[in-house]
Amino acid sequence: EAGVAQSPRYKIIEKRQSVAFWCNPISGHATLYWYQQILGQGPKLLIQFQNNGVVDDSQLPKDRFSAERLKGVDSTLKIQPAKLEDSAVYLCASSLVASFSYEQYFGPGTRLTVT
Amino acid sequence: AQKVTQAQTEISVVEKEDVTLDCVYETRDTTYYLFWYKQPPSGELVFLIRRNSFDEQNEISGRYSWNFQKSTSSFNFTITASQVVDSAVYFCALSAGAEGKLVFGAGTILRVKS
Repeated sequence: EAGVAQSPRYKIIEKRQSVAFWCNPISGHATLYWYQQILGQGPKLLIQFQNNGVVDDSQLPKDRFSAERLKGVDSTLKIQPAKLEDSAVYLCASSLVASFSYEQYFGPGTRLTVT
Repeated sequence: AQKVTQAQTEISVVEKEDVTLDCVYETRDTTYYLFWYKQPPSGELVFLIRRNSFDEQNEISGRYSWNFQKSTSSFNFTITASQVVDSAVYFCALSAGAEGKLVFGAGTILRVKS
């Protein structure tokens, strides 16, 4: 079974530029999550999708971050414009059940460096 | 509010030593779930175990074992006879209450030297 796919793996941009990350979850997993992991910290949830609907985006900085999952499968996370503090690893995860009580399966992440 | 504390930032051991990673959690909810994830250098988090608040039985899986103690709000993880491949960052996480978001600790870097 293929795991969660993410691209690109690495991205370097200058502040005020825009960037987009892509995620393809495990086949059949209706729930998709985006996390931000700053160096030395644990992942922090940004947004949760159930199929193509947003379940929770309370921790997403909506003035600069946006995410979509148009067909209920793959998803895109965008940052526009980027700030220095956005430097982090962005992790995508998926799960079969829409509950945090179940395990999530993570992709390898995209490491973003904003200069 | 939910909180997970992993006081050990980094641990270094020599291969074949046993090592215990500590995790202390805070929640006011009576129903909650605790997790351990491993993050190898490749980056993806790998699920290791899930425990619910009503099951305090310790669990052993090969060289891995977990000790859950509600009295001290701890969910510690022990690796017996550590191996170089165990080198990774280990995260403890908590999901509790109506919100239920997964809250991660800061992680413990484990370095196993040959």
